[in-house]
Amino acid sequence: KQEVTQIPAALSVPEGENLVLNCSFTDSAIYNLQWFRQDPGKGLTSLLLIQSSQREQTSGRLNASLDKSSGRSTLYIAASQPGDSATYLCAVNDYKLSFGAGTTVTVRA
Amino acid sequence: SQTIHQWPATLVQPVGSPLSLECTVEGTSNPNLYWYRQAAGRGLQLLFYSVGIGQISSEVPQNLSASRPQDRQFILSSKKLLLSDSGFYLCAWGEVTDNEKMFFGSGTQLSVL
Repeated sequence: KQEVTQIPAALSVPEGENLVLNCSFTDSAIYNLQWFRQDPGKGLTSLLLIQSSQREQTSGRLNASLDKSSGRSTLYIAASQPGDSATYLCAVNDYKLSFGAGTTVTVRA
Repeated sequence: SQTIHQWPATLVQPVGSPLSLECTVEGTSNPNLYWYRQAAGRGLQLLFYSVGIGQISSEVPQNLSASRPQDRQFILSSKKLLLSDSGFYLCAWGEVTDNEKMFFGSGTQLSVL
């Protein structure tokens, strides 16, 4: 059974600092990995999807890397802003999505 | 473009009452559809998924059931709610390829009292 772990569970940084969020998974036989953002009481918004054959994906200030052999992905958010405050979820697709518990980020103005 | 509708946004129900949550998808055909539950401070748990009309797979034994009466409609139901059914329920659809990208509805916060 696929297990997905996200570290840290919570993170608080001053505005402008870069964010590094980690995701690890136990079974490397995956199709893709997806990062989501969730605001309190809301649904999930897809941020980035990395195919199993890719090493990274970028969108604006966001960059996600994937090391499938070691079962790791990292989401980098450059020059954080208060609007980046949210919970970030990692999900691994090995035919079904398995989610981590998320990292709750607070960016202080 | 594709959109996913989920309602209601919030629901308060007494123990023992029935439940029906509905999800519809627009702008795509034959999507894979999913119901997830998110407990406070925990990850998402897959409850049901469907690859076609009338085809439902259950991931965990529980008090809930799901149905897919139409291609783009997915319904989560219960005949008698339990306190433990409280949670945040999310409907999602995925592109039917092996590189499935997932899109989520806005969720339903269910409180069983």
